[in-house]
Amino acid sequence: SQELEQSPQSLIVQEGKNLTINCTSSKTLYGLYWYKQKYGEGLIFLMMLQKGGEEKSHEKITAKLDEKKQQSSLHITASQPSHAGIYLCGADNQAGTALIFGKGTTLSVSS
Amino acid sequence: DGGITQSPKYLFRKEGQNVTLSCEQNLNHDAMYWYRQDPGQGLRLIYYSQIVNDFQKGDIAEGYSVSREKKESFPLTVTSAQKNPTAFYLCASSIDQAYTGELFFGEGSRLTVL
Repeated sequence: SQELEQSPQSLIVQEGKNLTINCTSSKTLYGLYWYKQKYGEGLIFLMMLQKGGEEKSHEKITAKLDEKKQQSSLHITASQPSHAGIYLCGADNQAGTALIFGKGTTLSVSS
Repeated sequence: DGGITQSPKYLFRKEGQNVTLSCEQNLNHDAMYWYRQDPGQGLRLIYYSQIVNDFQKGDIAEGYSVSREKKESFPLTVTSAQKNPTAFYLCASSIDQAYTGELFFGEGSRLTVL
């Protein structure tokens, strides 16, 4: 079965610093999704990537899917306290009927 | 405002009791999902439904049951057969089965077994 591995597991950065979170799949990705979760709340959809080499940006968050479609990175520029939370990557399951998720990366931003 | 409503937000249960978590959506979405989240474990799929009166088991369906009698409702019952039910439960929906990645999530229900 497909598995998604995220790294790092947790991250503490100083406000204003850049950071990168990685998501690696055991199989080729046909759809890669990034979500953000605040502790104890639901997930908020950030971005979807489908094509190899695709890159999307939203405000100060940029996500990229590599050419081989097995790894994605999420980059935050000039981090702010509002960026703190859990970032999860998701991908279509083998049947294409639901999403599977990585274990998440917990981001803390210190001011 | 359109969205997904989960209730209750917090629930305590004694061992051996069944409990039902409610999930209602007014987005007119066809597909609905239940996930379980444990600390450091990400989200694991329990059940999903792509259409009314039909649902499928996910990766960890044992000890859970669902129904989908109405398009807007997808309740989850945690039965006494679930050996470790303490967790955070998330309900989600998508427009239809072709848009499984763009999920809309509820705020979650935290179940604690005493």
